[in-house]
Amino acid sequence: AQKVTQAQTEISVVEKEDVTLDCVYETRDTTYYLFWYKQPPSGELVFLIRRNSFDEQNEISGRYSWNFQKSTSSFNFTITASQVVDSAVYFCALSDPGRGGNKLVFGAGTILRVKS
Amino acid sequence: DTGVSQDPRHKITKRGQNVTFRCDPISEHNRLYWYRQTLGQGPEFLTYFQNEAQLEKSRLLSDRFSAERPKGSFSTLEIQRTEQGDSAMYLCASSSSRQGKGNEQFFGPGTRLTVL
Repeated sequence: AQKVTQAQTEISVVEKEDVTLDCVYETRDTTYYLFWYKQPPSGELVFLIRRNSFDEQNEISGRYSWNFQKSTSSFNFTITASQVVDSAVYFCALSDPGRGGNKLVFGAGTILRVKS
Repeated sequence: DTGVSQDPRHKITKRGQNVTFRCDPISEHNRLYWYRQTLGQGPEFLTYFQNEAQLEKSRLLSDRFSAERPKGSFSTLEIQRTEQGDSAMYLCASSSSRQGKGNEQFFGPGTRLTVL
């Protein structure tokens, strides 16, 4: 069965610090997708990135970067020069093909608090 | 292009009552998902539709829960004889199965259910 583990329950940093959120996954599928979502205090899940299992290139988008390593089944997320607006709960998710729908299996989330 | 919308945003009900939630997906998306999120946890999959067909249901979806998606557009989730354990945020998401759309799921703001 698919499983996602986010071992860090809560992280607190001071503004402008870099922070890495860890994500480890388990799957027997050879083709799968990994995702990161942000859930700000307003509650709505915001899509950040999708990665497929065949593409191990790291990706950078502004202050955000993602490190995908199949060898360690990890898909970590780094925020550079964190800002107060980055405070949110971040979820890592893994697709489960199921009956074709690619439902998502989420980790428990990491609460990020950025203090000014 | 409007996002996923859900109605109502909040629902307070007494134990034993029936409740119904509505989700309107992004218009060109043919897949629709329902998830449930309890405090401090990631969302958990409940059920999935492709067009009007309900293709997968989680074991979390007891007999008291029913979902429909008539005509493949909006969806409703009904909970009969609510219990206090049903208190949670109910999230709807939609995606497109068309190639190149990447299976990203876009979430609505959720309906927060409180059962007294």
